[in-house]
Amino acid sequence: GAGVSQTPSNKVTEKGKYVELRCDPISGHTALYWYRQSLGQGPEFLIYFQGTGAADDSGLPNDRFFAVRPEGSVSTLKIQRTERGDSAVYLCASSLTPYGQGADGNTIYFGEGSWLTVV
Amino acid sequence: GDSVTQMEGPVTLSEEAFLTINCTYTATGYPSLFWYVQYPGEGLQLLLKATKADDKGSNKGFEATYRKETTSFHLEKGSVQVSDSAVYFCALTPFSGGYNKLIFGAGTRLAVHP
Repeated sequence: GAGVSQTPSNKVTEKGKYVELRCDPISGHTALYWYRQSLGQGPEFLIYFQGTGAADDSGLPNDRFFAVRPEGSVSTLKIQRTERGDSAVYLCASSLTPYGQGADGNTIYFGEGSWLTVV
Repeated sequence: GDSVTQMEGPVTLSEEAFLTINCTYTATGYPSLFWYVQYPGEGLQLLLKATKADDKGSNKGFEATYRKETTSFHLEKGSVQVSDSAVYFCALTPFSGGYNKLIFGAGTRLAVHP
């Protein structure tokens, strides 16, 4: 597609339920990132994939959060036993390669996000 | 660790006013610096960037200069328009090498009225 696509755009779920958020990066982009943006704050890093592997998952807040990218394209962020504090916008981004963000032509592109509300 | 601090909003201006949004950072070495913008209902977009000290990034009339001595990257525009109303995020990627891990400030909401 033309840009990074995220689904669903909005999700309301009950506390304790399981949620999956999907990201479809720009075609050909090898690097994929997940960020979380709470109300009134800037995005915070969650996890980064290079190809199929999670190269850095240091931002995942706890073991209820997990992400996969089995074929090196689409990624799914999975949240188990959701809590009200998980309510946020979950942003996905992709780039052609993971290096040289300052270099021309290798920009990180963001999707519009998935708004998750846990009630 | 590396961090970014930007002025709190909202910033409310009249059309054609001068805009400054302050941004300072804490980082080792020479990070790359960025301003991202989030228009209502849209995803984050890269507005401008600077990769080394004294570089000036510019786009759509916005400018920011990488100041190593003051660890700052303030965003400026000489004459704002209503269409500039958005949330602006200052960000960096660390110098330490490795991949592009963006570290964001909290964002500053700009509202421009006619």
